[in-house]
Amino acid sequence: DVKVTQSSRYLVKRTGEKVFLECVQDMDHENMFWYRQDPGLGLRLIYFSYDVKMKEKGDIPEGYSVSREKKERFSLILESASTNQTSMYLCATRQGGSPLHFGNGTRLTVT
Amino acid sequence: SQQGEEDPQALSIQEGENATMNCSYKTSINNLQWYRQNSGRGLVHLILIRSNEREKHSGRLRVTLDTSKKSSSLLITASRAADTASYFCATRLDNYGQNFVFGPGTRLSVLP
Repeated sequence: DVKVTQSSRYLVKRTGEKVFLECVQDMDHENMFWYRQDPGLGLRLIYFSYDVKMKEKGDIPEGYSVSREKKERFSLILESASTNQTSMYLCATRQGGSPLHFGNGTRLTVT
Repeated sequence: SQQGEEDPQALSIQEGENATMNCSYKTSINNLQWYRQNSGRGLVHLILIRSNEREKHSGRLRVTLDTSKKSSSLLITASRAADTASYFCATRLDNYGQNFVFGPGTRLSVLP
């Protein structure tokens, strides 16, 4: 089974802080994704990566950046956290035609 | 606007009853997937139905797809309390895109 591990389940940060959300997968999947999930809005894609050092913007990339220096690790960076970035963040991976495999999520609160 | 929209937003049934959730989408799709999310956890893939399929079964799950109506339904038969979760449909718009579009989900409560 694919294991997708997000480093924190809960995170509380202050407005203006730089925040790193980490995601690690153990199945050598090429594609990795960051979504945010908000009530009533479903999941929205922030960024995805299809290879090391490669990234593509999703639907809502503003205020975020990503880093993929190694195949197994995909980091989401909030350069200067704001209260409207309080949300559940979900990392997912995919290989070929497989479905998405999700981590357990990081619930981020920005105060 | 969202590609997938689940209906109803919330559903409450008794254990043993069947639960039906619907998903509508707006544009042509390659396939449609259903995912389940237990409270505060990540999503887990349940079943995938391709655009050239009309019905698919997996255990107590039955998924139908009507491409003429741009809709899909997920039926859970003989529901159990452990089926309590949120259910999402997701569509991928083409063969090459990586962007899966998710609806807001249906929150199912199965009462013992």
